[in-house]
Amino acid sequence: QVQLQESGPGLVKPSETLSLTCAVSGYSISSGYYWGWIRQPPGKGLEWIGSMFHSGSTYYNPSLKSRVIISVDTSKNQFSLKLSSVTAADTAVYYCARHYCSGGSCYGSLSWFDPWGQGTLVTVSS
Amino acid sequence: DIQMTQSPSSLSASVGDRVTITCRASQSISSYLNWYQQRPGKAPKLLIYTAFSLQSGVPSRFSGGGSGTDFTLTISSLQPEDFATYYCQQSYSTPGTFGQGTKVEIK
Repeated sequence: QVQLQESGPGLVKPSETLSLTCAVSGYSISSGYYWGWIRQPPGKGLEWIGSMFHSGSTYYNPSLKSRVIISVDTSKNQFSLKLSSVTAADTAVYYCARHYCSGGSCYGSLSWFDPWGQGTLVTVSS
Repeated sequence: DIQMTQSPSSLSASVGDRVTITCRASQSISSYLNWYQQRPGKAPKLLIYTAFSLQSGVPSRFSGGGSGTDFTLTISSLQPEDFATYYCQQSYSTPGTFGQGTKVEIK
């Protein structure tokens, strides 16, 4: 059974970089699938941040692309999110998820997120 | 970006009721539509993918339909564990966008 677990600081100062890691168990990242990040501000809806294949192919939400880096570490079977120049608007629960993308394309194709990690709250405040 | 609009935003229903939630896309998305359930304080869980395919392990009282711009999620007989917020999500074009959610509450 595939399980994902997010970890990282719960508090980040404005203008700094938010860094999170998602540890994957029960499946080898290098075996396939994209791996993605989604966030949810308190009391609000879901926003996709970006997804990455183990070989390096990435998709980023254009609204965040200039500030986001997603990377994969196959030796540790984990992937990471870095979001720079954060503001209070970046306060959210951050989820990692396996991103199934048929035919190797995550858009214009059948794709979905499953399973998800439990999520981790990151607050941006001084 | 493709806008996904769910209706209603919330509803009250009783155990055993039939419930239908609607999701409308701002342009045609073929059948590239997924549904998720989020219980309070928990991560979203995939219920239905590609508009009507039931994810493994999801009870058969859940069903999805539609194509193009209009989609539905139906719960045939609401159970206590179904009280949650439901989100639709399109994968037709990047960025993949979610609806604002429909909260199903106990009447």
